Amino acid sequence: AQTVTQSQPEMSVQEAETVTLSCTYDTSESDYYLFWYKQPPSRQMILVIRQEAYKQQNATENRFSVNFQKAAKSFSLKISDSQLGDAAMYFCAYRIMGDSGAGSYQLTFGKGTKLSVIP
Amino acid sequence: SQTIHQWPATLVQPVGSPLSLECTVEGTSNPNLYWYRQAAGRGLQLLFYSIGIDQISSEVPQNLSASRPQDRQFILSSKKLLLSDSGFYLCAWTATHSNQPQHFGDGTRLSIL
Repeated sequence: AQTVTQSQPEMSVQEAETVTLSCTYDTSESDYYLFWYKQPPSRQMILVIRQEAYKQQNATENRFSVNFQKAAKSFSLKISDSQLGDAAMYFCAYRIMGDSGAGSYQLTFGKGTKLSVIP
Repeated sequence: SQTIHQWPATLVQPVGSPLSLECTVEGTSNPNLYWYRQAAGRGLQLLFYSIGIDQISSEVPQNLSASRPQDRQFILSSKKLLLSDSGFYLCAWTATHSNQPQHFGDGTRLSIL
């Protein structure tokens, strides 16, 4: 079974600084997707960034980037130039790549990291 | 564009009462649909998923059930709520045979008294 581990329950960062959130996962699959979701106090789950395991290049989305280390099964999220609006719970999630029905699209989530941004 | 709606946004129910949470998707057909629960301070736990009308798969045994009476409608129900059913419930969808990520509704905060 796949598992996703976020070892940092809480983190804080000074506004305009950079912070890295850690995520490790366990899988026997070779093809899969990894995601970072953001859940602000409003509780809406918002996709931040995604990474396909077959791509060696790390995904980037504006101030958000990942460090994907497939051999180490590590998928960290770096937030640059942190803003007050970045304060939220961040969830790392995993999904196998495949087309065998809705079950193959299940997301396995970590327990989340609460990020606080200090003005 | 596709949108997903969940209601109600908040709900307070006594122990032993029934439950019905509704989720609908617009702008797509034959979506895969999912119900998740998020307990306080925890990650998301998949409860049910559906690949089509009346096709429901359960991931965890519990006193909750799900139904899909229409293509884009997914309902989470209970005949008798327990205190342990409190939490934040999220509905999500993906397109069939899609490599796109799941898109979530705004969630329902359920408090059991």
